[in-house]
Amino acid sequence: QVQLQESGPGLVKPSETLSLTCAVSGYSISSGYYWGWIRQPPGKGLEWIGSIYHSGRTYYNPSLKSRVTISVDTSKNLFSLKLSSVTAADTAVYYCARIGGGAGGGNWFDPWGQGTLVTVSS
Amino acid sequence: QSALTQPASVSGSPGQSITISCTGTSSDVGSYNLVSWYQHHPGKAPKLMIYEGSKRPSGVSNRFSGSKSGNTASLTISGLQAEDEADYYCCSYAAGSSLVFGGGTKLTVL
Repeated sequence: QVQLQESGPGLVKPSETLSLTCAVSGYSISSGYYWGWIRQPPGKGLEWIGSIYHSGRTYYNPSLKSRVTISVDTSKNLFSLKLSSVTAADTAVYYCARIGGGAGGGNWFDPWGQGTLVTVSS
Repeated sequence: QSALTQPASVSGSPGQSITISCTGTSSDVGSYNLVSWYQHHPGKAPKLMIYEGSKRPSGVSNRFSGSKSGNTASLTISGLQAEDEADYYCCSYAAGSSLVFGGGTKLTVL
């Protein structure tokens, strides 16, 4: 059974960099699939942030591309998110997920982690 | 890329059927049969209900079905049950290898 678990600081100051890690268990990242990040601001809908393959190939949401870096560590079976120059608008629950489907970067998310709330505030 | 358009809310009585629409453009829903649907109970992880337009993952009830016409995808839930009350989101593959979500629909079972 594949499980994903997000971890990282729950509070980040404005202008700093948000850093989260997603630990994967029950499946080797090196075996395939894309892996990605999604967020949900309070009271709002879901937003795809970006995706990565074990080779390091990445796809990013064009609206966030200039501030996002997603990386993978196959030796530790985890992948990470860095979002720079954060503002209050980046306050959200951040989810990680496995991404399936044959399209470039995949097209469906399953399973998801439980999510972690990150608040941007001084 | 703009978010896909979903109704903010829908409701139905137990046993009835409801349909949630998800309208995009010719750059996403209209060009690819790659729409997925997620059930989200607040505080829990979203759950995949339909992928690639109409496929059901193992373990998902056959009361859930997906379809598409033009730029609009739809999720139909038949035989509504109390536990179906949740938020539902659509997501489509889009030009440029992007993924775009809908704004979400709150389903109330009366």
